[in-house]
Amino acid sequence: GAVVSQHPSRVICKSGTSVKIECRSLDFQATTMFWYRQFPKKSLMLMATSNEGSKATYEQGVEKDKFLINHASLTLSTLTVTSAHPEDSSFYICSATSPGLAAYEQYFGPGTRLTVT
Amino acid sequence: AQSVTQLGSHVSVSEGALVLLRCNYSSSVPPYLFWYVQYPNQGLQLLLKYTSAATLVKGINGFEAEFKKSETSFHLTKPSAHMSDAAEYFCAGRIRSNDYKLSFGAGTTVTVRA
Repeated sequence: GAVVSQHPSRVICKSGTSVKIECRSLDFQATTMFWYRQFPKKSLMLMATSNEGSKATYEQGVEKDKFLINHASLTLSTLTVTSAHPEDSSFYICSATSPGLAAYEQYFGPGTRLTVT
Repeated sequence: AQSVTQLGSHVSVSEGALVLLRCNYSSSVPPYLFWYVQYPNQGLQLLLKYTSAATLVKGINGFEAEFKKSETSFHLTKPSAHMSDAAEYFCAGRIRSNDYKLSFGAGTTVTVRA
């Protein structure tokens, strides 16, 4: 199956700083990538949909100025958490899909654990 | 709103026993449905998917699911549980054919007793 990577897998940052998370599709071109947030013992919450070469579409309640998403190429999307605060600590997961995949199946990255101190 | 509902947040089974995880969807048209498994601190791995080709879908690790339109259900089963099946399981659906977004169920935690 298609492989999606995320980097870093874990990051600790101080309150007020920004942190960038990368999501890469390794063996296919991802026209669409998704960013999710997962709280402990909870399901995935979709934050935004990212299409290559265009602005991301954010879900209701997600601050687009705080969670900057860039999808500059067909294999890379980045999520930047700006001016991070402890409440932004969470597990962030990306997924990627493409018209070439059956049922536009989403392939998920391994996730990034963000801890803001 | 279109949604996917998982019944039962926690299922405990004995090793070798049947695993049954329930998922219902709300949709006026046949959806695309998926079951994913998540191990601690990892991403999601696809177990199987329904894309209207066959109502009984076989997946990896011995799991299968049956799409029942009359019951709007897509329950996941495995005849004999293994200790390695202990994980979090999510049912997800793409309810609209022109929308790539997935609607996730709340998840079901499976524990396997020796």
